[in-house]
Amino acid sequence: EAGVTQFPSHSVIEKGQTVTLRCDPISGHDNLYWYRRVMGKEIKFLLHFVKESKQDESGMPNNRFLAERTGGTYSTLKVQPAELEDSGVYFCASSQVGSPYNEQFFGPGTRLTVL
Amino acid sequence: AQSVTQLGSHVSVSEGALVLLRCNYSSSVPPYLFWYVQYPNQGLQLLLKYTSAATLVKGINGFEAEFKKSETSFHLTKPSAHMSDAAEYFCAVSEIEDSGYSTLTFGKGTMLLVSP
Repeated sequence: EAGVTQFPSHSVIEKGQTVTLRCDPISGHDNLYWYRRVMGKEIKFLLHFVKESKQDESGMPNNRFLAERTGGTYSTLKVQPAELEDSGVYFCASSQVGSPYNEQFFGPGTRLTVL
Repeated sequence: AQSVTQLGSHVSVSEGALVLLRCNYSSSVPPYLFWYVQYPNQGLQLLLKYTSAATLVKGINGFEAEFKKSETSFHLTKPSAHMSDAAEYFCAVSEIEDSGYSTLTFGKGTMLLVSP
Protein backbone atom coordinates (compact mmCIF):
# COMPACT_ATOMS: atom_id res chain seq x y z
CA GLU A 1 0.00 0.00 0.00
CA ALA A 2 1.38 3.39 -0.96
CA GLY A 3 2.07 5.84 1.83
CA VAL A 4 1.43 9.56 1.92
CA THR A 5 3.14 11.26 -0.99
CA GLN A 6 4.02 14.91 -1.43
CA PHE A 7 5.11 16.91 -4.44
CA PRO A 8 7.48 18.56 -5.02
CA SER A 9 10.15 17.40 -2.62
CA HIS A 10 11.92 20.73 -2.90
CA SER A 11 10.89 24.15 -4.17
CA VAL A 12 12.98 27.29 -4.42
CA ILE A 13 11.11 30.48 -5.34
CA GLU A 14 11.57 34.22 -5.20
CA LYS A 15 9.74 36.38 -2.71
CA GLY A 16 6.41 37.42 -4.16
CA GLN A 17 5.98 34.34 -6.32
CA THR A 18 3.33 31.68 -5.93
CA VAL A 19 3.92 28.06 -5.00
CA THR A 20 1.51 25.15 -4.81
CA LEU A 21 2.27 22.07 -2.75
CA ARG A 22 0.44 18.82 -3.27
CA CYS A 23 -0.34 15.96 -0.92
CA ASP A 24 -1.81 12.57 -1.77
CA PRO A 25 -3.02 10.78 1.37
CA ILE A 26 -3.24 7.06 1.91
CA SER A 27 -6.21 5.69 0.02
CA GLY A 28 -9.29 5.61 2.22
CA HIS A 29 -8.01 8.13 4.75
CA ASP A 30 -10.59 10.85 5.15
CA ASN A 31 -8.51 12.88 7.60
CA LEU A 32 -5.80 14.99 6.01
CA TYR A 33 -3.51 17.35 7.92
CA TRP A 34 -0.95 19.96 6.97
CA TYR A 35 1.92 20.83 9.29
CA ARG A 36 4.92 23.11 8.89
CA ARG A 37 8.36 23.21 10.41
CA VAL A 38 10.22 26.47 10.24
CA MET A 39 13.97 26.05 10.76
CA GLY A 40 14.87 25.60 14.40
CA LYS A 41 11.28 25.49 15.54
CA GLU A 42 8.80 22.76 16.28
CA ILE A 43 6.47 21.16 13.78
CA LYS A 44 3.25 23.15 13.90
CA PHE A 45 -0.27 22.29 12.85
CA LEU A 46 -1.72 24.30 9.97
CA LEU A 47 -5.08 22.73 9.17
CA HIS A 48 -7.19 19.59 9.09
CA PHE A 49 -9.58 18.33 6.42
CA VAL A 50 -12.23 15.69 6.88
CA LYS A 51 -12.95 14.58 3.36
CA GLU A 52 -13.32 17.85 1.44
CA SER A 53 -14.35 19.98 4.44
CA LYS A 54 -12.01 22.08 6.56
CA GLN A 55 -12.48 20.83 10.10
CA ASP A 56 -9.90 23.10 11.69
CA GLU A 57 -7.77 25.79 10.06
CA SER A 58 -6.74 27.56 13.23
CA GLY A 59 -3.05 27.07 12.47
CA MET A 60 -3.01 28.82 9.10
CA PRO A 61 -0.65 31.78 9.54
CA ASN A 62 -2.44 34.30 7.32
CA ASN A 63 -4.59 34.72 4.24
CA ARG A 64 -1.65 34.20 1.88
CA PHE A 65 -2.14 30.48 2.51
CA LEU A 66 -4.98 28.65 0.78
CA ALA A 67 -5.65 24.94 1.18
CA GLU A 68 -8.06 22.90 -0.86
CA ARG A 69 -9.15 19.30 -1.03
CA THR A 70 -11.53 19.00 -3.93
CA GLY A 71 -13.33 15.67 -4.04
CA GLY A 72 -11.88 14.63 -0.73
CA THR A 73 -8.81 13.01 -2.24
CA TYR A 74 -5.58 14.90 -2.72
CA SER A 75 -4.97 18.32 -1.22
CA THR A 76 -3.10 21.40 -2.34
CA LEU A 77 -1.60 24.18 -0.28
CA LYS A 78 -0.98 27.40 -2.16
CA VAL A 79 1.17 30.23 -0.87
CA GLN A 80 0.55 33.51 -2.69
CA PRO A 81 2.55 35.71 -2.55
CA ALA A 82 5.37 33.91 -0.79
CA GLU A 83 7.40 35.72 1.86
CA LEU A 84 10.82 34.91 3.30
CA GLU A 85 9.32 33.65 6.57
CA ASP A 86 7.34 31.00 4.70
CA SER A 87 10.52 28.98 4.19
CA GLY A 88 10.44 25.62 5.93
CA VAL A 89 9.35 22.04 5.53
CA TYR A 90 5.67 21.40 4.91
CA PHE A 91 4.41 18.00 6.02
CA CYS A 92 1.18 16.32 5.12
CA ALA A 93 -0.35 13.51 7.17
CA SER A 94 -3.44 11.37 6.89
CA SER A 95 -5.47 9.08 9.11
CA GLN A 96 -8.68 7.13 9.03
CA VAL A 97 -11.74 8.74 10.55
CA GLY A 98 -12.34 6.97 13.83
CA SER A 99 -8.82 5.55 13.91
CA PRO A 100 -7.76 4.82 17.47
CA TYR A 101 -5.47 7.34 19.10
CA ASN A 102 -5.48 9.47 15.96
CA GLU A 103 -2.49 7.69 14.50
CA GLN A 104 -1.32 9.88 11.65
CA PHE A 105 0.87 8.76 8.77
CA PHE A 106 3.24 11.38 7.44
CA GLY A 107 4.63 12.12 4.04
CA PRO A 108 8.29 13.00 3.39
CA GLY A 109 7.58 16.72 3.34
CA THR A 110 8.19 19.53 0.87
CA ARG A 111 11.14 21.78 1.61
CA LEU A 112 10.23 25.32 0.56
CA THR A 113 12.90 27.98 0.25
CA VAL A 114 11.85 31.55 -0.42
CA LEU A 115 14.69 33.82 -1.57
CA ALA B 1 -3.65 23.95 25.88
CA GLN B 2 -1.23 21.12 25.41
CA SER B 3 2.51 21.51 24.97
CA VAL B 4 5.60 19.35 24.66
CA THR B 5 9.13 20.04 25.84
CA GLN B 6 12.09 18.06 24.59
CA LEU B 7 15.23 18.68 26.59
CA GLY B 8 18.31 18.90 24.41
CA SER B 9 18.23 19.77 20.74
CA HIS B 10 21.19 17.42 20.23
CA VAL B 11 22.18 14.26 22.08
CA SER B 12 25.44 12.45 21.34
CA VAL B 13 26.12 8.84 22.32
CA SER B 14 28.65 6.20 21.41
CA GLU B 15 27.62 3.07 19.58
CA GLY B 16 26.47 0.53 22.17
CA ALA B 17 25.64 3.14 24.80
CA LEU B 18 22.27 3.82 26.36
CA VAL B 19 20.02 6.24 24.50
CA LEU B 20 17.81 8.54 26.59
CA LEU B 21 15.74 11.24 24.92
CA ARG B 22 13.62 13.33 27.26
CA CYS B 23 10.06 14.49 26.74
CA ASN B 24 7.75 16.31 29.12
CA TYR B 25 4.22 17.29 28.25
CA SER B 26 1.39 19.34 29.58
CA SER B 27 -2.18 18.39 28.94
CA SER B 28 -5.49 19.17 30.59
CA VAL B 29 -6.83 15.70 29.91
CA PRO B 30 -5.26 12.26 29.76
CA PRO B 31 -3.18 12.45 26.62
CA TYR B 32 -2.13 10.17 23.87
CA LEU B 33 1.62 10.40 23.44
CA PHE B 34 3.79 9.56 20.47
CA TRP B 35 7.41 9.39 19.45
CA TYR B 36 8.21 9.90 15.79
CA VAL B 37 11.58 9.55 14.06
CA GLN B 38 12.78 11.28 10.92
CA TYR B 39 15.72 9.75 9.10
CA PRO B 40 17.57 11.95 6.60
CA ASN B 41 15.49 12.75 3.51
CA GLN B 42 12.53 10.73 4.78
CA GLY B 43 9.16 11.48 6.35
CA LEU B 44 8.15 11.11 9.96
CA GLN B 45 7.83 7.51 11.05
CA LEU B 46 5.91 6.41 14.14
CA LEU B 47 8.22 4.76 16.69
CA LEU B 48 5.70 4.08 19.43
CA LYS B 49 2.58 5.42 21.10
CA TYR B 50 1.03 5.56 24.56
CA THR B 51 -2.71 5.09 24.58
CA SER B 52 -3.56 4.71 28.31
CA ALA B 53 -2.96 0.98 28.41
CA ALA B 54 0.44 -0.20 29.65
CA THR B 55 2.68 2.60 30.91
CA LEU B 56 5.77 0.97 29.42
CA VAL B 57 5.45 1.02 25.67
CA LYS B 58 7.65 -0.91 23.28
CA GLY B 59 8.20 0.33 19.76
CA ILE B 60 10.15 -0.52 16.68
CA ASN B 61 13.92 -0.88 16.43
CA GLY B 62 14.33 -1.70 20.13
CA PHE B 63 13.03 1.62 21.46
CA GLU B 64 10.70 1.92 24.40
CA ALA B 65 9.16 4.72 26.43
CA GLU B 66 7.62 4.93 29.88
CA PHE B 67 4.62 7.12 30.67
CA LYS B 68 4.96 8.69 34.12
CA LYS B 69 1.90 10.69 34.99
CA SER B 70 3.35 12.10 38.22
CA GLU B 71 6.30 13.51 36.28
CA THR B 72 4.31 14.32 33.10
CA SER B 73 7.08 12.60 31.21
CA PHE B 74 7.38 10.18 28.32
CA HIS B 75 11.11 9.63 27.88
CA LEU B 76 12.41 7.46 25.04
CA THR B 77 15.12 4.89 25.69
CA LYS B 78 17.12 2.22 23.94
CA PRO B 79 19.63 0.04 25.78
CA SER B 80 22.26 -0.01 23.06
CA ALA B 81 22.62 2.57 20.29
CA HIS B 82 23.34 1.59 16.70
CA MET B 83 24.82 3.82 14.06
CA SER B 84 21.54 3.48 12.16
CA ASP B 85 19.68 5.19 15.02
CA ALA B 86 21.17 8.55 14.05
CA ALA B 87 18.12 10.65 13.20
CA GLU B 88 15.86 13.36 14.57
CA TYR B 89 13.29 12.29 17.15
CA PHE B 90 10.03 14.09 17.89
CA CYS B 91 7.74 13.70 20.87
CA ALA B 92 4.10 14.60 20.29
CA VAL B 93 0.88 14.79 22.27
CA SER B 94 -2.67 14.43 21.04
CA GLU B 95 -5.87 15.42 22.77
CA ILE B 96 -9.33 14.54 21.57
CA GLU B 97 -11.36 17.73 21.17
CA ASP B 98 -15.10 18.04 21.76
CA SER B 99 -15.54 17.61 18.04
CA GLY B 100 -14.11 14.12 18.38
CA TYR B 101 -11.12 15.06 16.29
CA SER B 102 -7.60 15.88 17.39
CA THR B 103 -4.31 17.21 16.15
CA LEU B 104 -0.74 16.60 17.18
CA THR B 105 1.36 19.06 19.15
CA PHE B 106 5.07 18.43 18.69
CA GLY B 107 8.20 19.18 20.62
CA LYS B 108 11.11 20.89 18.90
CA GLY B 109 12.86 17.61 18.18
CA THR B 110 16.11 16.06 19.35
CA MET B 111 18.87 15.14 16.94
CA LEU B 112 20.54 11.91 18.00
CA LEU B 113 24.17 11.60 16.96
CA VAL B 114 25.85 8.19 17.24
CA SER B 115 29.63 7.91 17.10
CA PRO B 116 31.63 4.73 16.49
